[in-house]
Amino acid sequence: AQKVTQAQTEISVVEKEDVTLDCVYETRDTTYYLFWYKQPPSGELVFLIRRNSFDEQNEISGRYSWNFQKSTSSFNFTITASQVVDSAVYFCALSDGSSASKIIFGSGTRLSIRP
Amino acid sequence: DVKVTQSSRYLVKRTGEKVFLECVQDMDHENMFWYRQDPGLGLRLIYFSYDVKMKEKGDIPEGYSVSREKKERFSLILESASTNQTSMYLCASKRETEAFFGQGTRLTVV
Repeated sequence: AQKVTQAQTEISVVEKEDVTLDCVYETRDTTYYLFWYKQPPSGELVFLIRRNSFDEQNEISGRYSWNFQKSTSSFNFTITASQVVDSAVYFCALSDGSSASKIIFGSGTRLSIRP
Repeated sequence: DVKVTQSSRYLVKRTGEKVFLECVQDMDHENMFWYRQDPGLGLRLIYFSYDVKMKEKGDIPEGYSVSREKKERFSLILESASTNQTSMYLCASKRETEAFFGQGTRLTVV
């Protein structure tokens, strides 16, 4: 069975601090995809990144970076120099390699950035 | 841009009512999903559909049904609404591996 665990329920940091959101996953599939989504107060989920199981390279996009480690089944997300606009709920998610597969979500981490 | 539209942003219904939540996508995606979101539980899959008239149960299908008569539209039906179905409902459509979400419907059952 597939499972995604986000152990951090809530995180609060002061603006400009770096913050890492943890994600641990379980799957028996050899081909799978990992995702991060952001849910701002408006409610709509915003896609941030997709990673397939064969690509363990870390990715950086501006202040955002992702660390994928198959050895520990983790896909952690770091925000560097956080800003108030980063305040949101962040979800890590997992799906298998087929186009008809469902996406399994973690319980989410609520991130609050204080000015 | 991909657009997934849910018919209502906020909805208040009475216990026992039949409730329809509508979702429409404009990108010809085969796969569509209904999730509910509750604090501390993340998004839980209710039903999904990988083609017209095809449906599969998700993790929490009890008390819900779905309809997919046309490719672009996926409806979630609460046959007899109960207070424990008060929640945020999110629709998504997907092609290949990326899913796109609607803005959500916050349903309150009183």
